[in-house]
Amino acid sequence: QSVLTQPPSVSGAPGQRVAVSCTGSSSNIGAGYDVHWYQHLPGTAPKLLIYANNNRPSGVPDRFSGSKSGTSASLAITGLQAEDEADYYCQSYDSSLSGSGVFGGGTRLTVL
Amino acid sequence: QVQLVQSGAEVKKPGASVKVSCKASGYTFTAYYIHWVRQAPGQGLECLGWINPNSGATIYTHKFQGRVTMTRDTSINTAYMELSRLRSDDTAVYYCARGGTSRQFDYWGQGTLVTVSS
Repeated sequence: QSVLTQPPSVSGAPGQRVAVSCTGSSSNIGAGYDVHWYQHLPGTAPKLLIYANNNRPSGVPDRFSGSKSGTSASLAITGLQAEDEADYYCQSYDSSLSGSGVFGGGTRLTVL
Repeated sequence: QVQLVQSGAEVKKPGASVKVSCKASGYTFTAYYIHWVRQAPGQGLECLGWINPNSGATIYTHKFQGRVTMTRDTSINTAYMELSRLRSDDTAVYYCARGGTSRQFDYWGQGTLVTVSS
């Protein structure tokens, strides 16, 4: 069981908006640790999409956005495109663990 | 440009050890942590721990403590992850990643497939 909980799958039609949730607890997201989001395509290395809750690295389209509130965080994707079909992971840290990072279980996005 | 280049695929027998390397270029190696992450077949991403290349200090995820060792050689800008007493469920793609200023994993290696099979 992952420390951070994500829905196993979400889906949406091209052009639509989808959101991926990431639920934690008072020892990770709720403790103030930043949340980061990654896109992972099969056979490739994960790609950083959002860092420190709501910041986009250079080159990431503004269709991707992140937010954080309380013990949860969310990744939103607007104007859905076929190329967005991938696995998405949230990542943070947990004060009750050894100090290494923790990931959510991942969410498979299907573009209908 | 920042690059992390990992060593090639490995096949090991149960009980053996594997050592994966991660050579960094395009930035000051000692200024950023190196994290190690793995993905087993059909599973999600899992952190193994990190190393501070400047001091050599390490933090290992509880699950891997006692079996994982992370080291670095600053003369060749390379980090290493060694996993011992391998089991079949250690079969996975192992990634190194650079830890950014907000402790995000901002650059990743290409991954190293480690297969544990008798």
